[in-house]
Amino acid sequence: DTGVSQDPRHKITKRGQNVTFRCDPISEHNRLYWYRQTLGQGPEFLTYFQNEAQLEKSRLLSDRFSAERPKGSFSTLEIQRTEQGDSAMYLCASSLGGGLDGYTFGSGTRLTVV
Amino acid sequence: DQQVKQNSPSLSVQEGRISILNCDYTNSMFDYFLWYKKYPAEGPTFLISISSIKDKNEDGRFTVFLNKSAKHLSLHIVPSQPGDSAVYFCAASVDNFNKFYFGSGTKLNVKP
Repeated sequence: DTGVSQDPRHKITKRGQNVTFRCDPISEHNRLYWYRQTLGQGPEFLTYFQNEAQLEKSRLLSDRFSAERPKGSFSTLEIQRTEQGDSAMYLCASSLGGGLDGYTFGSGTRLTVV
Repeated sequence: DQQVKQNSPSLSVQEGRISILNCDYTNSMFDYFLWYKKYPAEGPTFLISISSIKDKNEDGRFTVFLNKSAKHLSLHIVPSQPGDSAVYFCAASVDNFNKFYFGSGTKLNVKP
């Protein structure tokens, strides 16, 4: 297992289009997190799964955002009707249990909305 | 509301000297703190952590200090090496460890 994988690495989309990102966590990790990072800022929490259950969502996650983790394995993050303000790096992370030893982050998906 | 702040966007240090990166927080409920390092085009990598019951944690060249009364933590790197050049984020959590609040990062440049 080589770590947390995110796909695609880069996505350019037109405003109003829907986009979907995928995250494959480390296989034995039961917790999966999505964060968003904009230029010059640190990562901001979006949502968190324990196995297949989505246990917490940030208010940053508007109705246009939805995340799933079917079967407690990979996760998808979908953004509907994208806006220019959605342009950011979307980071996925996973951990076994709580984040006492930190998360393992993927390399992220950079979204550009034009 | 920025609950974790890194007020120095950048820091330049000579190789072999000490690098000190600072972080302030506002939420007194935070009881667990981490530092991450990030290279370009990669995700953040966990570096070192500290619980609020301690005031110091050391791991090789890296030491994190926590001053709870001042709501301040710092990361010391000694001696600094060119490979340490990266963006460093501090992060804090309340006891559920499920959500971390990150600072905006400090870009460290270690000059050979």
